[in-house]
Amino acid sequence: QSALTQPASVSGSPGQSITISCTGTSSDVGSYNLVSWYQQHPGKAPKLMIYEVSKRPSGVSNRFSGSKSGNTASLTISGLQAEDEADYYCCSYAGSSTFVLFGGGTKLTVL
Amino acid sequence: QVQLVESGGGLVKPGGSLRLSCAASGFTFSDYYMSWIRQAPGKGLEWLSYISSSGGTIYYADSVKGRFTISRDNAKNSLYLQMNSLRAEDTAVYYCARVGSGTWRYYFDYWGQGTLVTVSS
Repeated sequence: QSALTQPASVSGSPGQSITISCTGTSSDVGSYNLVSWYQQHPGKAPKLMIYEVSKRPSGVSNRFSGSKSGNTASLTISGLQAEDEADYYCCSYAGSSTFVLFGGGTKLTVL
Repeated sequence: QVQLVESGGGLVKPGGSLRLSCAASGFTFSDYYMSWIRQAPGKGLEWLSYISSSGGTIYYADSVKGRFTISRDNAKNSLYLQMNSLRAEDTAVYYCARVGSGTWRYYFDYWGQGTLVTVSS
């Protein structure tokens, strides 16, 4: 199965809100509320930001939120800050044969 | 605090083998499912394999099925990835990740810093 589809890049100014989309199919994103999002700064390990579509792990800012509609999941970051500049990856359960799929990643630039 | 430390990466020739290890601390390792995920240079994340807490349930991505073997030793708080028949396209940073707890164990809540595997002649 193909990776989930994310925009290659998004940008926003400090204080603004941005949304990153993650498009899958009815076999993955559309079938399960099991989408997670990861933030990765250059040279660092990924960090879990959102799981099960909209749940936030302890310690993650409430400026980060997740949602899903049909085959597309979204990550919204409000009140953009310089430290939010990073790569973001979505991930979805895709059934017992494929198991888990990642998106191709989105580079967020804070202008 | 949760710590995952990978080791065993390095330079290997095509067709060769390598065994990666991941030492876990700061949590009860035997309670958690674990996974291996890799990232080729300049590329995105690719999930590779998943093992249940007891080791009785294992999944692999098609790209590594039949070549890679995941295992764990709960007495040693360690996760392993045996990689055989390595190819140039296996060149990547390999991450060990803890699978989140709960009813639906399909997200990764802690990651190691990764170990680089380079497959080249």
